[in-house]
Amino acid sequence: DVKVTQSSRYLVKRTGEKVFLECVQDMDHENMFWYRQDPGLGLRLIYFSYDVKMKEKGDIPEGYSVSREKKERFSLILESASTNQTSMYLCASRVPSDTEAFFGQGTRLTVV
Amino acid sequence: SQQGEEDPQALSIQEGENATMNCSYKTSINNLQWYRQNSGRGLVHLILIRSNEREKHSGRLRVTLDTSKKSSSLLITASRAADTASYFCATPRMDSSYKLIFGSGTRLLVRP
Repeated sequence: DVKVTQSSRYLVKRTGEKVFLECVQDMDHENMFWYRQDPGLGLRLIYFSYDVKMKEKGDIPEGYSVSREKKERFSLILESASTNQTSMYLCASRVPSDTEAFFGQGTRLTVV
Repeated sequence: SQQGEEDPQALSIQEGENATMNCSYKTSINNLQWYRQNSGRGLVHLILIRSNEREKHSGRLRVTLDTSKKSSSLLITASRAADTASYFCATPRMDSSYKLIFGSGTRLLVRP
């Protein structure tokens, strides 16, 4: 059974903290994604990694960075958390090309 | 930028009725995908329709694609309370590593 696991379901952090969101997949997928989801805005792509150590910016990369040192793990980093980064964060993976994606359960981050 | 836009934003129907959701997109596509999200969870892939297909079925789901109008529809027949969820269309962006871009979703409520 395919599995994408996000390290936390719920997270509360303080403004200015450096925050790490971790995502691990066990399907040997090359592509991995980080999205944020806000009411009325749907899913917006933050970063995309098409292979180990490879990354591309999505539509809203400002305030975020990513790390993909190993194929199975894709980390999203909030360099200095701000209240406007309070959101649901979703990780996904897929084989290369235009096929379906598999999602983790989401991390609801609150920045206070 | 949003590639797909769903319509309506919200839909409330009685159990047993059919539910129809629409998706419009902006650029050329290889395929269009539909996903479902239960409240507070990750997304689950439902069905993929390729650009050379006009209609596809999967159980109680029927998806149509009209590439001339850049639109797709998802029909759920004989709806059940368990179908209550948000539904998203997504398209791989052909000009950008097939990044998967989502619309803002339709919230479906099926009343028992």
